[in-house]
Amino acid sequence: AQSVTQLGSHVSVSEGALVLLRCNYSSSVPPYLFWYVQYPNQGLQLLLKYTSAATLVKGINGFEAEFKKSETSFHLTKPSAHMSDAAEYFCAVSRGENTGTASKLTFGTGTRLQVTL
Amino acid sequence: GAGVSQSPSNKVTEKGKDVELRCDPISGHTALYWYRQSLGQGLEFLIYFQGNSAPDKSGLPSDRFSAERTGGSVSTLTIQRTQQEDSAVYLCASSLAPGGGRNTIYFGEGSWLTVV
Repeated sequence: AQSVTQLGSHVSVSEGALVLLRCNYSSSVPPYLFWYVQYPNQGLQLLLKYTSAATLVKGINGFEAEFKKSETSFHLTKPSAHMSDAAEYFCAVSRGENTGTASKLTFGTGTRLQVTL
Repeated sequence: GAGVSQSPSNKVTEKGKDVELRCDPISGHTALYWYRQSLGQGLEFLIYFQGNSAPDKSGLPSDRFSAERTGGSVSTLTIQRTQQEDSAVYLCASSLAPGGGRNTIYFGEGSWLTVV
């Protein structure tokens, strides 16, 4: 079975400050890992994904995440927060195989990011 | 359309009534997923369709829930005898071939269901 744990349901940062959203995973096989963002009243949008290539993954809007196998982590960071980053962020894991049920995503419970002036 | 399209965007129904939620995936996407997003529950997998293969129904919470995908394209999620705990956002997603790996899974904006 696979799972992800997102530490902190709410994170608040000042505009211009570092954003760090934590995600730890559990997987019996090499995982693929994802971060999705959900803006109010919208669907989920893929920010970035790790698919066993480079461990440091760069995504859209200046976000990046680093896969650390030893720590079973895939934390999301952004050097400088912007007001437009306020949203809910979801970490997700899949089995990393492009077949059958391996392809479904298992999501964390989400972290709501608040950006203050 | 360019993205995954879902309808209705909002639905209020009385307890005990049946509801149907529709999903139109991105053209050419053979994989289609339904997820449920409840307050405080995160995103819960419901069902997965891939081409002509038997669907993975392992996430459906009860036999009141069913889904079909006609012609390998449009999908309908049906909830019979709705209960208040069914109130949630139902998200549909699609991808090329099996997703969850190198093929990105794209989500629609969801159908907000309120059971009163």
